[in-house]
Amino acid sequence: EPEVTQTPSHQVTQMGQEVILRCVPISNHLYFYWYRQILGQKVEFLVSFYNNEISEKSEIFDDQFSVERPDGSNFTLKIRSTKLEDSAMYFCASSNHRAEGANVLTFGAGSRLTVL
Amino acid sequence: QKEVEQNSGPLSVPEGAIASLNCTYSDRGSQSFFWYRQYSGKSPELIMSIYSNGDKEDGRFTAQLNKASQYVSLLIRDSQPSDSATYLCASASGNTPLVFGKGTRLSVIA
Repeated sequence: EPEVTQTPSHQVTQMGQEVILRCVPISNHLYFYWYRQILGQKVEFLVSFYNNEISEKSEIFDDQFSVERPDGSNFTLKIRSTKLEDSAMYFCASSNHRAEGANVLTFGAGSRLTVL
Repeated sequence: QKEVEQNSGPLSVPEGAIASLNCTYSDRGSQSFFWYRQYSGKSPELIMSIYSNGDKEDGRFTAQLNKASQYVSLLIRDSQPSDSATYLCASASGNTPLVFGKGTRLSVIA
């Protein structure tokens, strides 16, 4: 079964460092997402991406965050200068249609980011 | 602010019983509703989607939607220990991204 793959599975970084999280969405999917989940909290939307541009972003997705699709397969999330509160599990998701007005998302296994 | 509310639990049921999970949402414009299962340390996995009022059954799972009451539920029949997980309710309106609830932790006791 097709899957969304994410790397790294776990990254530990120092506060202020840049981090890039990578995702390979399902090959025929057109819509890509980043969500995050702080330990014990709800899954929160960060950003959606379609047709090589951001289609929507949340208040969390400030100037420290950026996304890119550098080639035909990868979808990356960059955090420019990490803060302690960026420690979370980051999930990439993709979808190939907007079924009945909403996306049916397939999630990757997640990248756990720990900021020290 | 669009909110999805769930009782955090834990909800404990004996093996073989019916587990009933509930969710309310604040955005009356929501059109699509989803139940995801999340094992500890893992990613959400889609179980059911529902778009119309009424019941939708898939194997041991039944999703129920009542838009007038802004209420969604998930019934799990013949609960198994492997069903023990956190169940996330999510909603969306139009093409907006999914909004998740905090989840209900289910424990099925053998």
